[in-house]
Amino acid sequence: KNQVEQSPQSLIILEGKNCTLQCNYTVSPFSNLRWYKQDTGRGPVSLTIMTFSENTKSNGRYTATLDADTKQSSLHITASQLSDSASYICVVGSGGSYIPTFGRGTSLIVHP
Amino acid sequence: EPEVTQTPSHQVTQMGQEVILRCVPISNHLYFYWYRQILGQKVEFLVSFYNNEISEKSEIFDDQFSVERPDGSNFTLKIRSTKLEDSAMYFCASSRGPSSYNEQFFGPGTRLTVL
Repeated sequence: KNQVEQSPQSLIILEGKNCTLQCNYTVSPFSNLRWYKQDTGRGPVSLTIMTFSENTKSNGRYTATLDADTKQSSLHITASQLSDSASYICVVGSGGSYIPTFGRGTSLIVHP
Repeated sequence: EPEVTQTPSHQVTQMGQEVILRCVPISNHLYFYWYRQILGQKVEFLVSFYNNEISEKSEIFDDQFSVERPDGSNFTLKIRSTKLEDSAMYFCASSRGPSSYNEQFFGPGTRLTVL
């Protein structure tokens, strides 16, 4: 069964600090991996999309990495801001069809 | 900046009633999706729609659910006879091309409460 596991479940950091969120997946065949940011009560917003051949993708202060061999991805947030407080969701797409597998998300709280 | 819109923002209904959730995707997008998120749980894929037909659907999307693009702008999700467990946030999304390689844009969601 396809699964996406994220860690940590929640994280509290101080404004200006960096943090790294983890995503492990068992989705086969692999097609793509996305990171989304979801503010409370809002729809997810795409941060990065990576396919099999890509191992890093940046979007401003967000940098995602992908190791397709170990089936792991990370999302690194640099110089965190209060507005980074949200849930960060890892989503893995399976090749040949579009039925994505969502992780439960990491809840990030940035304190001043 | 174009965005996906959804109406209503909150829908309260009685168990057994039919509900229609409405979405207006971004105008030049061709692929449309519905997701749901039960409170405190992860987002779940329901269905994808392209060229006026369903292209993929999950196990959740049973005969109680249907989707339609009745005109050139709206994309609707109908639940024929709602159950208590249908209470959730329903998100519509759209993308310009196939979702594997194209960014999906999500709407703000409709919170459905079934009493």
